Amino acid sequence: EPEVTQTPSHQVTQMGQEVILRCVPISNHLYFYWYRQILGQKVEFLVSFYNNEISEKSEIFDDQFSVERPDGSNFTLKIRSTKLEDSAMYFCASSAPAGSYNSPLHFGNGTRLTVT
Amino acid sequence: GIQVEQSPPDLILQEGANSTLRCNFSDSVNNLQWFHQNPWGQLINLFYIPSGTKQNGRLSATTVATERYSLLYISSSQTTDSGVYFCAVFGTSGSRLTFGEGTQLTVNP
Repeated sequence: EPEVTQTPSHQVTQMGQEVILRCVPISNHLYFYWYRQILGQKVEFLVSFYNNEISEKSEIFDDQFSVERPDGSNFTLKIRSTKLEDSAMYFCASSAPAGSYNSPLHFGNGTRLTVT
Repeated sequence: GIQVEQSPPDLILQEGANSTLRCNFSDSVNNLQWFHQNPWGQLINLFYIPSGTKQNGRLSATTVATERYSLLYISSSQTTDSGVYFCAVFGTSGSRLTFGEGTQLTVNP
């Protein structure tokens, strides 16, 4: 079964550094998402992306965050200047094969980001 | 935005027991999913169930969309069922899947 793959699985960075989290969504999916989960808390929506633009973003997704689909396969989340409170598990997801609107989101295994 | 409430927040069972987890949501939905988060943090998709009933082995789920709730049943629980169970819904407006707070399940041998 096709999977959403995320790299790296763990990343440690220093406060103020830029990080890029990478995702390869399922190949025929059209909608892409980033979520984050601070340790012990619920999974929070960051941003959705469709047709090469942001569809919706949450209040968490401020100017420090950006997303990009640089080619036909990758979907990236960039944090420009990391803060301690950005430490979390970041999940990428994709959904909606062509021709289907209501379909499940498929999640990757996550990238655990630690900011020191 | 849509609100998702899960109950109970914590549940402790003996191996072999049955359990029911509940998810209430505040508005109409296009999509409802149940996930199991394992000890490594992975979100395992259990069910995509915007309405009706589905079964997969010892797990089954029912969503009554008109009454805005979903139930996840776990029968003959095993220690490997331990973890956090999340309900998540996709409202009819907007483009986000909204998660509940989760139910922390512990199954003791």
